Amino acid sequence: GENVEQHPSTLSVQEGDSAVIKCTYSDSASNYFPWYKQELGKRPQLIIDIRSNVGEKKDQRIAVTLNKTAKHFSLHITETQPEDSAVYFCAASLNTGTASKLTFGTGTRLQVTL
Amino acid sequence: DAGITQSPRHKVTETGTPVTLRCHQTENHRYMYWYRQDPGHGLRLIHYSYGVKDTDKGEVSDGYSVSRSKTEDFLLTLESATSSQTSVYFCAISQTLRQDLPLSEAFFGQGTRLTVV
Repeated sequence: GENVEQHPSTLSVQEGDSAVIKCTYSDSASNYFPWYKQELGKRPQLIIDIRSNVGEKKDQRIAVTLNKTAKHFSLHITETQPEDSAVYFCAASLNTGTASKLTFGTGTRLQVTL
Repeated sequence: DAGITQSPRHKVTETGTPVTLRCHQTENHRYMYWYRQDPGHGLRLIHYSYGVKDTDKGEVSDGYSVSRSKTEDFLLTLESATSSQTSVYFCAISQTLRQDLPLSEAFFGQGTRLTVV
């Protein structure tokens, strides 16, 4: 099955700096890569996603890049703000036609300091 | 927010007792998932469903069973709860437009905090 590794596990940046979180996946058939943000005590919520036919996607201060050859994808947050502090999860989806599993990384706790 | 609710939200139970968690959706999504969340492990898939009565195991399925008799309901049962099953459980739903297309966004329920004493 799919295996997703995520690094780093914790990340501390100063307000205004950029943050980068990296993930690798094992199954080359995976074709959907979402990123979720989870604030303390809340449910995970999608912040951005990318499909395998696209190399990069951007939404305001966040962007995701995908390298299918190397089987890795990254989340980039620019001009970080205190409200970006949360746990971020990457995921990879393997669609077998009748069943689709969404496998998550272990999470990155991002702290944005003033 | 997507129409997905979990019940109960909190539960304390004794070791050896059966426990059932319910996930209910109003979105008519095909796929439903049960995850557990533990510190240092992220979200780990327990079981998932790709249709009524169609289910499969995830990476941490031992000690858990599921049932889906209706599109809108996905039940997770701990046959005999153990302390290692103390966790926060999340249900999620997702959809595809066609069989050959990737998943759409997965929506999560609010979570159920289960404590086994």
